[in-house]
Amino acid sequence: DGGITQSPKYLFRKEGQNVTLSCEQNLNHDAMYWYRQDPGQGLRLIYYSQIVNDFQKGDIAEGYSVSREKKESFPLTVTSAQKNPTAFYLCASSITRNEKLFFGSGTQLSVL
Amino acid sequence: LAKTTQPISMDSYEGQEVNITCSHNNIATNDYITWYQQFPSQGPRFIIQGYKTKVTNEVASLFIPADRKSSTLSLPRVSLSDTAVYYCLVGGSNTGFQKLVFGTGTRLLVSP
Repeated sequence: DGGITQSPKYLFRKEGQNVTLSCEQNLNHDAMYWYRQDPGQGLRLIYYSQIVNDFQKGDIAEGYSVSREKKESFPLTVTSAQKNPTAFYLCASSITRNEKLFFGSGTQLSVL
Repeated sequence: LAKTTQPISMDSYEGQEVNITCSHNNIATNDYITWYQQFPSQGPRFIIQGYKTKVTNEVASLFIPADRKSSTLSLPRVSLSDTAVYYCLVGGSNTGFQKLVFGTGTRLLVSP
């Protein structure tokens, strides 16, 4: 089945630790996105990428980093600089800028 | 970017028709209107997209008046499984979907 796979489903971070969230898609989509969702809130854009080896900051990029070395992969690293990382993280992809977004099932990140 | 305004919550009963209205006064000429559905701890799912007049698919209908400053998502004969958060988004070829603003959405509660 085609789709977007996020892993792990749950992740715990210790103080000062960097953690990486995985996002893989086999839809052959060019564009990929990372969103953050806090309880009872909407989604906020962290980073997005239109093509391989290119990505742009979204509205809340501070404390996060990404890479896009392969078309199907768009990992997100939550660095120690992100002081409030506890949230639900969602990865999405689309075939072009104007097409509908396909979302993964999300990763819940918590701080120990 | 066009800002959207939706009711925070709505209540309904099984078998009723539900209409959720979204206001987007600053919609641009090339902007499309897209609606997503999100269940707890899951990624949003595309429901329907339109540009003007009426669009219908197997799940919902989308009504867009001539001035396009608002839109209404219509869910026919809702069931308990339609309890979810519904997001209205506006974006298009000029801005792309990279910076779509999801907002807090409308929480629909369907009761027996």
